[in-house]
Amino acid sequence: AQSVAQPEDQVNVAEGNPLTVKCTYSVSGNPYLFWYVQYPNRGLQFLLKYITGDNLVKGSYGFEAEFNKSQTSFHLKKPSALVSDSALYFCAVGNTGKLIFGQGTTLQVKP
Amino acid sequence: NAGVTQTPKFRVLKTGQSMTLLCAQDMNHEYMYWYRQDPGMGLRLIHYSVGEGTTAKGEVPDGYNVSRLKKQNFLLGLESAAPSQTSVYFCASSLPGTSGWGADTQYFGPGTRLTVL
Repeated sequence: AQSVAQPEDQVNVAEGNPLTVKCTYSVSGNPYLFWYVQYPNRGLQFLLKYITGDNLVKGSYGFEAEFNKSQTSFHLKKPSALVSDSALYFCAVGNTGKLIFGQGTTLQVKP
Repeated sequence: NAGVTQTPKFRVLKTGQSMTLLCAQDMNHEYMYWYRQDPGMGLRLIHYSVGEGTTAKGEVPDGYNVSRLKKQNFLLGLESAAPSQTSVYFCASSLPGTSGWGADTQYFGPGTRLTVL
């Protein structure tokens, strides 16, 4: 069965520091991996996805993610965090037309 | 271009009442989805549709029904609401990609916050 795990409920980082939000997955076949962000009282917004090709994927708002097949991970990263990045982040794996979501990680960026 | 819209934004029901949530998209997307979001559980798929007139069950379909009579609309119905259905409901849509089924980006509506007393 497909699954996604986000091992941290919350990540705290100071503004200007690099950030990492972790995601590991389990899927049979080729994984299609996604990151979405949710701001308070809003729907989910697409950040980036990995389908195939280069393991480093660049997305919106300066975010990037690295696909690591051997570690079955797809961690979200940003070199320099902004206070406005504070939000709930979801990792998801796509399979047979459906998205399986992780439980979400709250990112708190402090000034 | 409004994207994905949901009606209503908020609703309070009493146990046993029924209601319908409406999702509309103006992107000519083939696929549409209904999710529920509960704290600490991420989003879980309730039902989905791969085209007008077709629907299928997702991960948590019990207590819900759906219809896709028009390509742009996807309705989610609760026939007899229960407190366990208190949640935030999100609709999403996507255009089938060429990379494989599941590789397409889903676009989400703003959500409907439902409370069942």
